[in-house]
Amino acid sequence: AQTVTQSQPEMSVQEAETVTLSCTYDTSESDYYLFWYKQPPSRQMILVIRQEAYKQQNATENRFSVNFQKAAKSFSLKISDSQLGDAAMYFCASSSGTYKYIFGTGTRLKVLA
Amino acid sequence: DADVTQTPRNRITKTGKRIMLECSQTKGHDRMYWYRQDPGLGLRLIYYSFDVKDINKGEISDGYSVSRQAQAKFSLSLESAIPNQTALYFCATSEFRGRRETQYFGPGTRLLVL
Repeated sequence: AQTVTQSQPEMSVQEAETVTLSCTYDTSESDYYLFWYKQPPSRQMILVIRQEAYKQQNATENRFSVNFQKAAKSFSLKISDSQLGDAAMYFCASSSGTYKYIFGTGTRLKVLA
Repeated sequence: DADVTQTPRNRITKTGKRIMLECSQTKGHDRMYWYRQDPGLGLRLIYYSFDVKDINKGEISDGYSVSRQAQAKFSLSLESAIPNQTALYFCATSEFRGRRETQYFGPGTRLLVL
């Protein structure tokens, strides 16, 4: 079965500091995507970053980057220079095969001024 | 304009009422999905559609039905609403390449069933 686990229900970070959100996953597929979505108080689900499993290079989008450890099935999100607008729920998700899009339970990130 | 829209954004209804949540997209994607989000449970798939004639149940389809009126429109109905259907509902479309897809979400509909 395909699973996605986020073991940190809540994290806090000081403004301008760096924070890492953890995610582990399990899949029997060899070809898959991994995602981080952000859900701010507006509740919109916003795609933050995507990693293709066959790419060894970690994906980066401005202040957001991932640490993709395929053997360990780990996919963490690093947010650098944290801003107040980064405060949100963050969901890790995986996609493999037909429709199999699985979400973790989320990590709530608080940014402290 | 938003690529994926949902109406209404908020809805309060009573137990036993029939309600419909609507989703429209301008992304030109064939695949559309309905999810519900409950606190602590992430998103769970209710129904999905790969094209107008292909509709499939997700993991929690009981008590729900859907209609794919066109490529761009996918509606979710609660035939007889009950309080435990109180949740945040998301519509999504997906871009599919090879065996991999990326989903894009609407703004959500918050439903309260009294």
